[in-house]
Amino acid sequence: AQTVTQSQPEMSVQEAETVTLSCTYDTSESDYYLFWYKQPPSRQMILVIRQEAYKQQNATENRFSVNFQKAAKSFSLKISDSQLGDAAMYFCAYRTHTTSGTYKYIFGTGTRLKVLA
Amino acid sequence: EAQVTQNPRYLITVTGKKLTVTCSQNMNHEYMSWYRQDPGLGLRQIYYSMNVEVTDKGDVPEGYKVSRKEKRNFPLILESPSPNQTSLYFCASSPFTPAGTEAFFGQGTRLTVV
Repeated sequence: AQTVTQSQPEMSVQEAETVTLSCTYDTSESDYYLFWYKQPPSRQMILVIRQEAYKQQNATENRFSVNFQKAAKSFSLKISDSQLGDAAMYFCAYRTHTTSGTYKYIFGTGTRLKVLA
Repeated sequence: EAQVTQNPRYLITVTGKKLTVTCSQNMNHEYMSWYRQDPGLGLRQIYYSMNVEVTDKGDVPEGYKVSRKEKRNFPLILESPSPNQTSLYFCASSPFTPAGTEAFFGQGTRLTVV
């Protein structure tokens, strides 16, 4: 079964510095999608960035970028120039196909990011 | 505005009293699902639906029911809630295509069963 592991329950970063959140996953599929979601105190789940497994190039969205290593099954999120508004819980997610032909999302346990002024 | 709407946002109930959490999406998405979020466990899928009248169990379906009579609505039913169902619940929707589209989430429902 597919699994997603976030080994850092909590991380801290100084404002304006760079931080990297780790995510590893286990799958036997060759084609899949990976996501990072942000959950601020409002509880809303907000998409940060997405990566398609068949694309070699790492996805970037402004200050957010990923380091996607398909062979190592690793999908880390780098936040550059951290801002106070980046403080949130971050979830890594994997989208798979089930045997019935549909798909499901599998989430990691989350990393709480604190940004220090 | 494209959105997934859950109601209520907060709910306190007593053990055994049936309740329903509603979920509605206006994006014409085929796929809808329910998750519960618990500290240290992340989001776990309860049930999902590929389309009208098509539902299936997720990873933690015990104690829950769902129905999909209309494409836009996917209510979560707790027939006899118990304290271990105290959690934060999310409804989400996504289209089948384009492939790789993210899940769109509702605002969450904080449920407390006493």
